[in-house]
Amino acid sequence: DTEVTQTPKHLVMGMTNKKSLKCEQHMGHRAMYWYKQKAKKPPELMFVYSYEKLSINESVPSRFSPECPNSSLLNLHLHALQPEDSALYLCASSNVQGPDPLWLSNQPQHFGDGTRLSIL
Amino acid sequence: AQSVTQPDIHITVSEGASLELRCNYSYGATPYLFWYVQSPGQGLQLLLKYFSGDTLVQGIKGFEAEFKRSQSSFNLRKPSVHWSDAAEYFCAVGALTPPRQLTFGSGTQLTVLP
Repeated sequence: DTEVTQTPKHLVMGMTNKKSLKCEQHMGHRAMYWYKQKAKKPPELMFVYSYEKLSINESVPSRFSPECPNSSLLNLHLHALQPEDSALYLCASSNVQGPDPLWLSNQPQHFGDGTRLSIL
Repeated sequence: AQSVTQPDIHITVSEGASLELRCNYSYGATPYLFWYVQSPGQGLQLLLKYFSGDTLVQGIKGFEAEFKRSQSSFNLRKPSVHWSDAAEYFCAVGALTPPRQLTFGSGTQLTVLP
């Protein structure tokens, strides 16, 4: 069992659909991350929230829209996705001790099991 | 910018044999170093981390890693592999300067033969 919970575990959607991925952690971590992982590849960072503020956006297309409504929750809103967006989407959190970006690099990240997304 | 190289895409070992997975990094100073493991259909789990101090670090599941500054390496080792260790292993670097996020290596797939 992981301490970072992601729902749903699997999602199949058409290119015109709107859906959301959800991530929740109750470890008191103040940094949360979205990664995209294609098969046989390492995770690619998409977004980082630190203290509920968007800290890093890795030039992700606007069809992906993150939201951090509170310190425990992280959402990823999806709209008009393309087939190449099919992947495993991982959420992670880390125990940063302040908003200084330094903490983002030296604290281990705790990952959820991911949402397997398929775009038809 | 920092980079991480895992030269072995796939390694096969027999159960009970020793294991070493290689990781080399490129960075101007001593970075923060991590090893993660990913089993099929799951997220990444932290095995161990190195920030400073003793260059031999112990992790979970019987893994250890040794930081060698002169070789810019952080190799992962286990003296006796179990069938449950079959998984993908990622080395990662966290930098002191932007970009501050983790940089992952390309991963090493471990197969364990009975």
